Amino acid sequence: KQEVTQIPAALSVPEGENLVLNCSFTDSAIYNLQWFRQDPGKGLTSLLLIQSSQREQTSGRLNASLDKSSGRSTLYIAASQPGDSATYLCAVPNSGGSNYKLTFGKGTLLTVNP
Amino acid sequence: EPEVTQTPSHQVTQMGQEVILRCVPISNHLYFYWYRQILGQKVEFLVSFYNNEISEKSEIFDDQFSVERPDGSNFTLKIRSTKLEDSAMYFCASRRGDRGHGYTFGSGTRLTVV
Repeated sequence: KQEVTQIPAALSVPEGENLVLNCSFTDSAIYNLQWFRQDPGKGLTSLLLIQSSQREQTSGRLNASLDKSSGRSTLYIAASQPGDSATYLCAVPNSGGSNYKLTFGKGTLLTVNP
Repeated sequence: EPEVTQTPSHQVTQMGQEVILRCVPISNHLYFYWYRQILGQKVEFLVSFYNNEISEKSEIFDDQFSVERPDGSNFTLKIRSTKLEDSAMYFCASRRGDRGHGYTFGSGTRLTVV
C-alpha cells in the first residue's frame, strides 16, 4: 500500500527566502507525481505534474524534482512571497489498474512572513 | 482554463438526513472521482467512476454512499443517512484519461452534519 510522507509539516520563512518542501513515497512504481496548493478551507489547485520519466518540471518560481528510484520529490519555491502562504500537498497515483486513484501526503503548511 | 465546478460550497444537514453533492466535471474528461478531507487529516479517495459505472471504491464508500452521472454533465455524490463523522470537505475531481495529464479538482463542498 502506497504511503506518502511530507516533511516538514510546517514551515515559516521570511519573504524572499528560497525554500524546499519534501515528499517521499514508499512504492516507486509511479506514473507521475502531482503537487497541489490548498488555501485554508478551499480546494486543491494543481501546481505541477511531473512524469515518472522526468527529473524536473518548472512553472514560474516553482520547480519540482523527482527521484523515482529513491521515492522522493522536492518542490522548490524561489523568492517566496506572502501570497505563497498555503498548504502544499503532494500526491501519487496507484500503479495498478487505470483508475489512478491518488494517495496524498498530509501536506506542508507554509507561512511566508512579510 | 476549464474548471471542475462544485455546488453547494457549504451544506449543513441534520444527522440522518440525505444529502446530494453536485459536481460538473470538465467536459472532455473521462474519469471522475470523489475525495474527502476530514478537518486536519489527509485527503482520501472515496470512489472513481468511468464509462458510467463505479470503477473502484474505498472502504469508506459503504452502502450509505452512491454516485451518479444522470445527464452526461453532472456527477453527484449522495449520502443516504448522514452521520456526524461524515462531516468533511468533499472534493470532486476529473481526469482526461491519459497518463500525461493529471487531476483537476473542484473547490469542494464543506459538509457539516449536526
